Amino acid sequence: SQQGEEDPQALSIQEGENATMNCSYKTSINNLQWYRQNSGRGLVHLILIRSNEREKHSGRLRVTLDTSKKSSSLLITASRAADTASYFCATALSGTYKYIFGTGTRLKVLA
Amino acid sequence: DGGITQSPKYLFRKEGQNVTLSCEQNLNHDAMYWYRQDPGQGLRLIYYSQIVNDFQKGDIAEGYSVSREKKESFPLTVTSAQKNPTAFYLCASSIGRQIAYNEQFFGPGTRLTVL
Repeated sequence: SQQGEEDPQALSIQEGENATMNCSYKTSINNLQWYRQNSGRGLVHLILIRSNEREKHSGRLRVTLDTSKKSSSLLITASRAADTASYFCATALSGTYKYIFGTGTRLKVLA
Repeated sequence: DGGITQSPKYLFRKEGQNVTLSCEQNLNHDAMYWYRQDPGQGLRLIYYSQIVNDFQKGDIAEGYSVSREKKESFPLTVTSAQKNPTAFYLCASSIGRQIAYNEQFFGPGTRLTVL
């Protein structure tokens, strides 16, 4: 199974609301990253949090990392219709150059 | 204008044919990756390369082959041995030198359809 598993698989919210997505992983990591993918496009890097960090902010994004629970969450505040996309977590396995992607959360923001 | 490019955007293949997907980057990145994405699913790693003339199999390498003769280029060949090649293929690169600080940069993808 995949290293990263996001939940929920799909999320539908109204514009202005906050969206929270969660990611769980199984093994030791160097860092955890969140990416966004618009339909039929490549992925765009959003934020990277290292294994020794617990929280990180970037604009309307807030990411937390709990290495004891092997989980991370991505919070998008004051969502906009343009945030509609799929969001993936990716973990960089310790000692390798290999990244493992989760199955993604499909976010739909209704105007 | 730095970035990572993939070509073609759409590719159609007849059963039994080999096809090669192009991936080029001018970011001076050491590491390059190929992923496969099926509808509604995440990315699965096919092959990755940390340095020129070296590459490793990912989780689903069967039926695929790669080469890394130049730092800028990492072409993927989908062979006739790949039983279900219809998918969206994504190429990515990263600096590769310090894994703890690396983000991946993705190309726009190639959608391969087997007729």
